[in-house]
Amino acid sequence: KAGVTQTPRYLIKTRGQQVTLSCSPISGHRSVSWYQQTPGQGLQFLFEYFSETQRNKGNFPGRFSGRQFSNSRSEMNVSTLELGDSALYLCASTLTGGPEGELFFGEGSRLTVL
Amino acid sequence: AQSVTQLGSHVSVSEGALVLLRCNYSSSVPPYLFWYVQYPNQGLQLLLKYTSAATLVKGINGFEAEFKKSETSFHLTKPSAHMSDAAEYFCAVSLAGGTSYGKLTFGQGTILTVHP
Repeated sequence: KAGVTQTPRYLIKTRGQQVTLSCSPISGHRSVSWYQQTPGQGLQFLFEYFSETQRNKGNFPGRFSGRQFSNSRSEMNVSTLELGDSALYLCASTLTGGPEGELFFGEGSRLTVL
Repeated sequence: AQSVTQLGSHVSVSEGALVLLRCNYSSSVPPYLFWYVQYPNQGLQLLLKYTSAATLVKGINGFEAEFKKSETSFHLTKPSAHMSDAAEYFCAVSLAGGTSYGKLTFGQGTILTVHP
């Protein structure tokens, strides 16, 4: 069974640009969550999608957005990039997104903003 | 709101020694608790989780953790460290209810170093 796949693995952008990251969940998983990991702030929850609907959202500005497609694949977008957006962005999938369930993480997309 | 505190950002042990990584949580309702491990340039992998069944939870790779409600702790232990255990470990909490869909609150992480 294939794991969670994130693309691209590495990317470099400049301030003001926008970026789109992609996540393919484990087959059969309908919940996809996104996290930002930085040395200073640690792991922070961005948002969660289930059946193409955003059910939960963290405390991030509106520049961070996401969506989920009918096949459960998800994308997140960051517009007007800032230096502070440099981070490892992790996607995780689970069957239902319930609080007791294990999140299966991808290897992440490492974004560098210059 | 829930929070997690991991005591010690770095822990160093000798191969074969006991591993103890500390985690304390704050929660207004009974939590679900998790330990994840992250190897360099990889995502997170679940070691074990507590979901109110048994207070002593056994996980993969010989790790276990004990839920102590009175101490609001969920410390991770392994009797004998192996070189391959060197990684960063994260304690995390989630709460029952709709506000927790897909959301884990993580501690700041503990980097475990294992010396030969």
